[in-house]
Amino acid sequence: DTAVSQTPKYLVTQMGNDKSIKCEQNLGHDTMYWYKQDSKKFLKIMFSYNNKELIINETVPNRFSPKSPDKAHLNLHINSLELGDSAVYFCASSQGKIRGNIQYFGAGTRLSVL
Amino acid sequence: AQKVTQAQTEISVVEKEDVTLDCVYETRDTTYYLFWYKQPPSGELVFLIRRNSFDEQNEISGRYSWNFQKSTSSFNFTITASQVVDSAVYFCALSDLYGQNFVFGPGTRLSVLP
Repeated sequence: DTAVSQTPKYLVTQMGNDKSIKCEQNLGHDTMYWYKQDSKKFLKIMFSYNNKELIINETVPNRFSPKSPDKAHLNLHINSLELGDSAVYFCASSQGKIRGNIQYFGAGTRLSVL
Repeated sequence: AQKVTQAQTEISVVEKEDVTLDCVYETRDTTYYLFWYKQPPSGELVFLIRRNSFDEQNEISGRYSWNFQKSTSSFNFTITASQVVDSAVYFCALSDLYGQNFVFGPGTRLSVLP
């Protein structure tokens, strides 16, 4: 029944590894997002996809690559993980092209890079 | 550029006290939307309210109320008779008409003590 689901919930890995986080929404939305929340709880948007097309790409290292196989999924792949990548990553979705569209968030993935 | 300021980093109150969380925003848009989200200790982000820039009516939902003052660019959130379960980080957010520029404030951590 979960509207926006992310897996895994926790991810612990070594520096230099490559990892992926998956996100799926069953709300029928056409826009999905990835946010990063740092240790001070500051939330910053990383990417936004509308109907599988990238529409927002903030200043994020090239090591981060989002992939949207269809409008219900937006996965985040991270290459060559660094200590500074440790954070909580949130996926969200909304119905684009609607005024004041509300973003609904997944439960977050806590990434710890050792 | 859009900006949201939540000047109160942390607030502590005793149960049953009323508490107001401040939110001040900056935007050049004439039409925009304001939001509040709650992040309880479990970590998920929960949508609370959305308000558009043309609707300055205050809103009340149970113990929660919101005061939108366009003249001071503020959208404050009041919890009446606070409860321990209200302990969370609360985020104010601002978006343009279609949510392409969705900006979160830094959050206010509310601790309600028994």
